[in-house]
Amino acid sequence: EAGVAQSPRYKIIEKRQSVAFWCNPISGHATLYWYQQILGQGPKLLIQFQNNGVVDDSQLPKDRFSAERLKGVDSTLKIQPAKLEDSAVYLCASSLDLGQGYGYTFGSGTRLTVV
Amino acid sequence: QQQVKQSPQSLIVQKGGISIINCAYENTAFDYFPWYQQFPGKGPALLIAIRPDVSEKKEGRFTISFNKSAKQFSLHIMDSQPGDSATYFCAASTSGAGSYQLTFGKGTKLSVIP
Repeated sequence: EAGVAQSPRYKIIEKRQSVAFWCNPISGHATLYWYQQILGQGPKLLIQFQNNGVVDDSQLPKDRFSAERLKGVDSTLKIQPAKLEDSAVYLCASSLDLGQGYGYTFGSGTRLTVV
Repeated sequence: QQQVKQSPQSLIVQKGGISIINCAYENTAFDYFPWYQQFPGKGPALLIAIRPDVSEKKEGRFTISFNKSAKQFSLHIMDSQPGDSATYFCAASTSGAGSYQLTFGKGTKLSVIP
């Protein structure tokens, strides 16, 4: 079974620039999550999708972050404009459905550095 | 508000020894408690998980002990090996609406020395 694919692996941008991350979940996984992991901390949930609908985006800084999941498969997370404090690893995860806690698989993440 | 507190921040154990990592939670609605292992440059990988209706779960060298009244749970790694050197995260979630949104601890960096 292929894992959760994310790209790019690394990205360096200047503050106030925009950036986008891409995620391809495991085939058949209906639920998709984006987490932010700041260095030295545990991942923090940003947004959760069920198919192509948003389940929870309460912790997403909506003034600068946006995410979409077209056709209930791939997802993109965008930051515009980026701030220094957005430097982190952005992790995508997927699971079969909302009730499949054991099916939670993370991708390797995109490491963003904002300078 | 940090809902899951994890300690220690770092841990050095000799090969063959026992590694113990502790977590405490505040939200009594949490009903699923997984542990994740993360190697550098990789995403977290599920190691073992427990629900509050049992006090202990063992899988190979890894054991979770759970104390519902104290709102604490811990990971024990028996016969620790250098390959176990990684960062370990405890997490917790509820199984209600919006289920399985994980709240993570800050992580423990484990180093197993030969």
